[in-house]
Amino acid sequence: DVKVTQSSRYLVKRTGEKVFLECVQDMDHENMFWYRQDPGLGLRLIYFSYDVKMKEKGDIPEGYSVSREKKERFSLILESASTNQTSMYLCASSPPGATNEKLFFGSGTQLSVL
Amino acid sequence: EDQVTQSPEALRLQEGESSSLNCSYTVSGLRGLFWYRQDPGKGPEFLFTLYSAGEEKEKERLKATLTKKESFLHITAPKPEDSATYLCAVRGSNYQLIWGAGTKLIIKP
Repeated sequence: DVKVTQSSRYLVKRTGEKVFLECVQDMDHENMFWYRQDPGLGLRLIYFSYDVKMKEKGDIPEGYSVSREKKERFSLILESASTNQTSMYLCASSPPGATNEKLFFGSGTQLSVL
Repeated sequence: EDQVTQSPEALRLQEGESSSLNCSYTVSGLRGLFWYRQDPGKGPEFLFTLYSAGEEKEKERLKATLTKKESFLHITAPKPEDSATYLCAVRGSNYQLIWGAGTKLIIKP
């Protein structure tokens, strides 16, 4: 069964801390994505990657960075966590091609920044 | 500006009571409209893709339809296990996805 695994289900951090969210997929997908999901809003794209070592900014990249050293792993980094980054973070992957239609999501990490 | 609006925000139905969820969109150059289901504490799970007006897709009690301005997700004789949040997304000419806020569906036994 195909799987996208996010390392933490719940995370509580302090303002100013550096936070790492890890995502691993076992489907050999080229494309990986980080979204955040907030109540009353649609999913918003933070960063995405179409290949190892490659990254592209999404709609809301400010305050975030990413790392993709291996094909199966895509990490989201909050350089200095702030309270407005409290959110559900969703990682997704998909097969190659910009017009691919199906995203596979992890279960999400609920991050609280105090 | 590309936009996706889902209505209603929440819908409560009795088991067996059929209804429809709406996804209205404005996008330049539609490259696909997508429906996902999201259960509490989980990530979204893909349901359907529709590409052109008039297209329909079905899966068990769900049927998705598409016009030039909106898509409907019809739920026929729903069961409690159909309770979830249903998300709609569109892909425009820049190939990025624009997501609606979702409709939370609750089916009471």
